[in-house]
Amino acid sequence: KAGVTQTPRYLIKTRGQQVTLSCSPISGHRSVSWYQQTPGQGLQFLFEYFSETQRNKGNFPGRFSGRQFSNSRSEMNVSTLELGDSALYLCASRLPGSLSYEQYFGPGTRLTVT
Amino acid sequence: GNSVTQMEGPVTLSEEAFLTINCTYTATGYPSLFWYVQYPGEGLQLLLKATKADDKGSNKGFEATYRKETTSFHLEKGSVQVSDSAVYFCALSEGSNYQLIWGAGTKLIIKP
Repeated sequence: KAGVTQTPRYLIKTRGQQVTLSCSPISGHRSVSWYQQTPGQGLQFLFEYFSETQRNKGNFPGRFSGRQFSNSRSEMNVSTLELGDSALYLCASRLPGSLSYEQYFGPGTRLTVT
Repeated sequence: GNSVTQMEGPVTLSEEAFLTINCTYTATGYPSLFWYVQYPGEGLQLLLKATKADDKGSNKGFEATYRKETTSFHLEKGSVQVSDSAVYFCALSEGSNYQLIWGAGTKLIIKP
């Protein structure tokens, strides 16, 4: 079974631009979560989507948004990019169910804002 | 709120040494506990997990036991290899909130 895939793997953007990152979960996984990883702040939860609905959101500004499609693929968007948005963005998927806490991660998208 | 505290790194060991990476947590209920590993330039891989007190998770020679009395989930391996060099993250998840709460990560360096 194919793992979680993320595209693109690397991205360079300029301050003020916007960016869209894509994540395809493991087949059958309907929950997708996004995390930001930076050297200073570590791993931080952005949001979770399940069945096209945002179920949970971390403490990030409104510039960070996401959505999920009917095939469970998810996108996250960051508008008006700032230098501090440079990070590794990780997507994770999991099986639905009350005991399915374990999440499976993609390789990440490395975003550099200049 | 929930939190995870890991020992600071880097931890540098010689090949075949015994490894312990400490992890303690704070949670209001009964969390599930995880160790994830991140190799250079890659995403996170689930290494092992435990879902209730006294459970022992194990994988690839690594072990961790869920200790509710000490709120700990220390990672151990009896004999490390150079290929174990990576960053190790302890994490928890609880209740209906499926987000993972992460420790800061511990960089492990194994020298031949």
